[in-house]
Amino acid sequence: GQNIDQPTEMTATEGAIVQINCTYQTSGFNGLFWYQQHAGEAPTFLSYNVLDGLEEKGRFSSFLSRSKGYSYLLLKELQMKDSASYLCAVNGQAGTALIFGKGTTLSVSS
Amino acid sequence: DTGVSQDPRHKITKRGQNVTFRCDPISEHNRLYWYRQTLGQGPEFLTYFQNEAQLEKSRLLSDRFSAERPKGSFSTLEIQRTEQGDSAMYLCASSFNTAEAFFGQGTRLTVV
Repeated sequence: GQNIDQPTEMTATEGAIVQINCTYQTSGFNGLFWYQQHAGEAPTFLSYNVLDGLEEKGRFSSFLSRSKGYSYLLLKELQMKDSASYLCAVNGQAGTALIFGKGTTLSVSS
Repeated sequence: DTGVSQDPRHKITKRGQNVTFRCDPISEHNRLYWYRQTLGQGPEFLTYFQNEAQLEKSRLLSDRFSAERPKGSFSTLEIQRTEQGDSAMYLCASSFNTAEAFFGQGTRLTVV
């Protein structure tokens, strides 16, 4: 079977750095995605990792270790607008669907 | 292309009625996904198509749910004999192969 785990909730203050972890067990691996979802809106794509290492995109970075089945999303210089749910999703074995974790709700306070 | 569009945005129906939702993906995308999402949860996979072929269907999906993508373009999701537990946001997403998926705004279903 397939399983994706992330913390349910996290809190942080403006200007801080936060790391959201994701662990996965899947049959095969064809990429890991991070999405952001604000309340009442559709998920929007943030980052993609298919090889081990760090991908940086502005204030957001994502890391992948395939051998450990582990990824994290790093958000720097937090802003109030970063308060949202962050979803980890994995493409497993070729020909299988994109599967999501339950999401991590991040609350940023001033 | 304006992205993935879903219709209707909201649907209220009485228990026992049938409902059908439509999704128009990004035109060059060959994969189309349907997900269901309830408050505080991540998107739950329902089914997906590669072109017109339905390649995978969640084991959680009862036989009241059916989806089609007749010409490999738009897709419909039908729920027969709706139940209150079907109340949720139904999300459609599309992608080109295993590249990032783009989501529509969803159809919010309320069964009363």
